[in-house]
Amino acid sequence: DAGVIQSPRHEVTEMGQEVTLRCKPISGHNSLFWYRQTMMRGLELLIYFNNNVPIDDSGMPEDRFSAKMPNASFSTLKIQPSEPRDSAVYFCASSLAGGGQFFGPGTRLTVL
Amino acid sequence: DQQVKQNSPSLSVQEGRISILNCDYTNSMFDYFLWYKKYPAEGPTFLISISSIKDKNEDGRFTVFLNKSAKHLSLHIVPSQPGDSAVYFCAATTVMDSNYQLIWGAGTKLIIKP
Repeated sequence: DAGVIQSPRHEVTEMGQEVTLRCKPISGHNSLFWYRQTMMRGLELLIYFNNNVPIDDSGMPEDRFSAKMPNASFSTLKIQPSEPRDSAVYFCASSLAGGGQFFGPGTRLTVL
Repeated sequence: DQQVKQNSPSLSVQEGRISILNCDYTNSMFDYFLWYKKYPAEGPTFLISISSIKDKNEDGRFTVFLNKSAKHLSLHIVPSQPGDSAVYFCAATTVMDSNYQLIWGAGTKLIIKP
């Protein structure tokens, strides 16, 4: 298995633009997590899905952030409009219930 | 309120010596703890874990100790090697959480000096 796949690996955009981050979890995993890592706050859980259903989105910072999981093999995290303070590394992770989380390589987002 | 705390943002250790990374938690419901290791430009990878029914778990050079009364766990790396230089995250959960949601510490950057 290729592991968790995220795209793009790097994204540079201007303030106000829409940003879409993509994630393909490990095949067979039924939980998917979106994290944001910053120097100030470390690793923050934004939202997680179980069997494609959002379970807890309390970590999503604002209404500008939204996440979807239309099927078991794909999820998106969208920021609209983006702001410079959204600059961070965004990780996607997946797991099988009761198992450890496997992380993707992350997307480094820079909002100018 | 941070439920999992790693109070040392960074730690520098001489190669060959012991590295000790600390983690404190506040939620007494946590009963399963994990350490993840993260290299730059990569996602965190699982390193070692411990259940609350144990106070020690060892895997090669890595040992995790759990002190439930103090709500404290530590990761020992002996001997430390240059490849151990990374950011280490402590995470906690409860096995009753079927969604396996992890609560993360802020991470400690370990630097192994040659």
